[in-house]
Parts: sequence; C-alpha cells; structure tokens
Amino acid sequence: GAGVSQTPSNKVTEKGKYVELRCDPISGHTALYWYRQSLGQGPEFLIYFQGTGAADDSGLPNDRFFAVRPEGSVSTLKIQRTERGDSAVYLCASSLYGGDIQYFGAGTRLSVL
Amino acid sequence: AQKVTQAQTEISVVEKEDVTLDCVYETRDTTYYLFWYKQPPSGELVFLIRRNSFDEQNEISGRYSWNFQKSTSSFNFTITASQVVDSAVYFCALTRQAGTALIFGKGTTLSVSS
Repeated sequence: GAGVSQTPSNKVTEKGKYVELRCDPISGHTALYWYRQSLGQGPEFLIYFQGTGAADDSGLPNDRFFAVRPEGSVSTLKIQRTERGDSAVYLCASSLYGGDIQYFGAGTRLSVL
Repeated sequence: AQKVTQAQTEISVVEKEDVTLDCVYETRDTTYYLFWYKQPPSGELVFLIRRNSFDEQNEISGRYSWNFQKSTSSFNFTITASQVVDSAVYFCALTRQAGTALIFGKGTTLSVSS
C-alpha cells in the first residue's frame, strides 16, 4: 500500500482480555516501530524491528506486551490481561532502514473498559 | 538522558498571522537528529523535517521555516501566514544517530481560526 496501515482503527475490550493490533508497513521498509500515545502526550517508544527480529524492545512496559514480525513485513502487537491503563492510541511506523525517517500509520485506539 | 520540551501547550492565532512553535532539547550525544511532525485530527503523524546535529543552516519550505541553534539547544518552527489547515498538534522529536527510537515532546496544539 501507499502508507502504513493499522487495523483495527478502534478496539474496545474488557479488562483482563487479550488483544492483537496489526501493522502493515510501507512496502520495502525493513524497519518497523511501535509507539503508544496517551491523551495529551507525545508518542512513547515501545519496540523496534529490523527485519524479523526485535532490535530494541526497551520500551515495552512489562511482560504483558509482546510483538512479532515473523516474515519481516506485517507486525502484530499483542497485549495479554489488558488493564484500564493500557487504554491509548497505539501507533506503528516504518522506515526504509533503521535510523531513517519514520512514517506513521493512523493508529489503533484501544479502550479497555 | 534525552529529553524534548515543548513549553507551549496550546496556541491560537487568526489566519494570516505568523506563529512560532518552540522546541528545546537535551542530549549528551554529539551526533543526533531533530524532527518535526504534524498530527492533524485524523491522528496520523505527518513527517515535516529532519535535521542532523552538524547542520545548523536554517531551512525554509514554502510557508514553513526552521531555526536550529545548538548554542541554545533549540529547534524552533515558524509558520508564516498561517491557514486554517495548519490547525493540528505539532511534535518535536529527537533521536540518536545510531539509535532509532524517537523521543517526542508533549506537543503544541495550534488552532488557526478564520
């Protein structure tokens, strides 16, 4: 596609449930990033993939959060046992290579009730 | 530690006014990159500019201009003759050359009225 695609655009879930958020990067981009944006704040880094491997996962808040990119393209962010504090917009970005300009998707708004 | 401060939370102007958005950063790296992104109501962050720490030349792109001053650790963004379509949240961000995580400020919400 022309840009970074994220699905779903909105996700409502109940506390304790498991959710998956999908990111489809710009074709040919080897690097992929996940950020989380809370209301009124700037995006905060979660994890960075170079190809299939997580090159930097220092931003993941705890072990309930996990992300994969098995074929070096689409990535899935997985959140187990969701908590109300996980409610935020989850943004995905991709770049041609690590360290290049990052282009963002429109995000997935996650609401945990 | 790296940090980006955007002291202006909200700015309101009338169309055709010039407006400057401030950005102050902190880093111990000698090599780094600075960015500005625009986030319209649709939510998608739109890349505007990237500057590396060795290039202090000011840049102009249409109605947009950027002033980078290492001496004051600032990377300010000016919109000349603002338009309603400029209404958005603007983020300043910083990254290391070798690193990849963007460190964002809290953003400045710009409202341009007609």
